[in-house]
Amino acid sequence: AQSVAQPEDQVNVAEGNPLTVKCTYSVSGNPYLFWYVQYPNRGLQFLLKYITGDNLVKGSYGFEAEFNKSQTSFHLKKPSALVSDSALYFCAVNNQGGKLIFGQGTELSVKP
Amino acid sequence: DAEITQSPRHKITETGRQVTLACHQTWNHNNMFWYRQDLGHGLRLIHYSYGVHDTNKGEVSDGYSVSRSNTEDLPLTLESAASSQTSVYFCASSDDPISTNEKLFFGSGTQLSVL
Repeated sequence: AQSVAQPEDQVNVAEGNPLTVKCTYSVSGNPYLFWYVQYPNRGLQFLLKYITGDNLVKGSYGFEAEFNKSQTSFHLKKPSALVSDSALYFCAVNNQGGKLIFGQGTELSVKP
Repeated sequence: DAEITQSPRHKITETGRQVTLACHQTWNHNNMFWYRQDLGHGLRLIHYSYGVHDTNKGEVSDGYSVSRSNTEDLPLTLESAASSQTSVYFCASSDDPISTNEKLFFGSGTQLSVL
């Protein structure tokens, strides 16, 4: 069965510092990987996806993610964090079954 | 602009009552999904539909049902509400091919409390 894990419930970063939100996956076959962001009292918003090709994927709001097949990881990164990046981040996987499976979520807190 | 709307935003009900949560999208998307969000569990799939008259069970479908009579709507019904169904419910839609579902558009959610 496919699954995705986000090992950190919370990540704290100072504004201006780089940030990383971790995600590992387990899926048979080629994975389709996604990151979504949820701001308070809102639905999830799509950030970026990896389907195939370049292992470094660029997305919205300056975020990027690196696909690492050998480590089965898809970590979300940003070179310089903003206070406005504070939100709940979800990693998700789809193995062509037509359904997204989400991780538990990681709360990102960026302090001034 | 096209959008996906959920109603009500907040609902309080009693154990044993039937409750229906509405989801309406104006993108003309074929695919629609219901998730519930609980602390420590992230989002879990309840039911989904790939088109009119098509419905499928997700990983936590017990106690829930859906029907798809048109493209725009996928109402979620709790047949006999239980306290364990207290949660935030999200509806989502997409028009991507079934094999990838590249991008989901989410509604703003319904906070349901079962007392």
